[in-house]
Amino acid sequence: DAKTTQPNSMESNEEEPVHLPCNHSTISGTDYIHWYRQLPSQGPEYVIHGLTSNVNNRMASLAIAEDRKSSTLILHRATLRDAAVYYCILRGSNSGGSNYKLTFGKGTLLTVNP
Amino acid sequence: GAVVSQHPSWVICKSGTSVKIECRSLDFQATTMFWYRQFPKQSLMLMATSNEGSKATYEQGVEKDKFLINHASLTLSTLTVTSAHPEDSSFYICTAPWGGRLGGELFFGEGSRLTVL
Repeated sequence: DAKTTQPNSMESNEEEPVHLPCNHSTISGTDYIHWYRQLPSQGPEYVIHGLTSNVNNRMASLAIAEDRKSSTLILHRATLRDAAVYYCILRGSNSGGSNYKLTFGKGTLLTVNP
Repeated sequence: GAVVSQHPSWVICKSGTSVKIECRSLDFQATTMFWYRQFPKQSLMLMATSNEGSKATYEQGVEKDKFLINHASLTLSTLTVTSAHPEDSSFYICTAPWGGRLGGELFFGEGSRLTVL
């Protein structure tokens, strides 16, 4: 899997927007950009993914740079429940079971202040 | 929606015993599942790929005789930690891709925390 780079930690205040950056300069043309988050003592949870265009869902938005070498996960209004480790991961899009393997980096620990 | 469930969520055992952890896909079939291990304050590390009806594929450095994986049905994979020792204490997590969609999301189990005394 291509490598991603994220800040180790970020801090936000409750009800404010949060922008979590991710650099992936070696991304290939067929790699999807995935974001997962992990709350304490739980398995990771899918947040959002995209390929080229910006994506929105009920949890977050994903802004993808035009050259696809970076992306930003946007939480529009952070809540205390959003405090977690956020992982930015690249996944290939070819068919086959091995393509579902995810390589986790250290992620970004998001702290949300009340 | 699609869910992956693990059991037990936590287990404490004595050194030398074997522990079995189950991973079930609910509402969907999974020919492939993945097992991860996570030590405190570290990221998830892939251990092995569980393949329905065939042998599991282990990542480099993971002992296949110690971590037995069985994927006997399309909805169940089991991980057995044999002759567990304190250094095997960890958070074990399974995941399964839902629907086979290219680039689609994976669903993770809740995790199973193993403590070996």
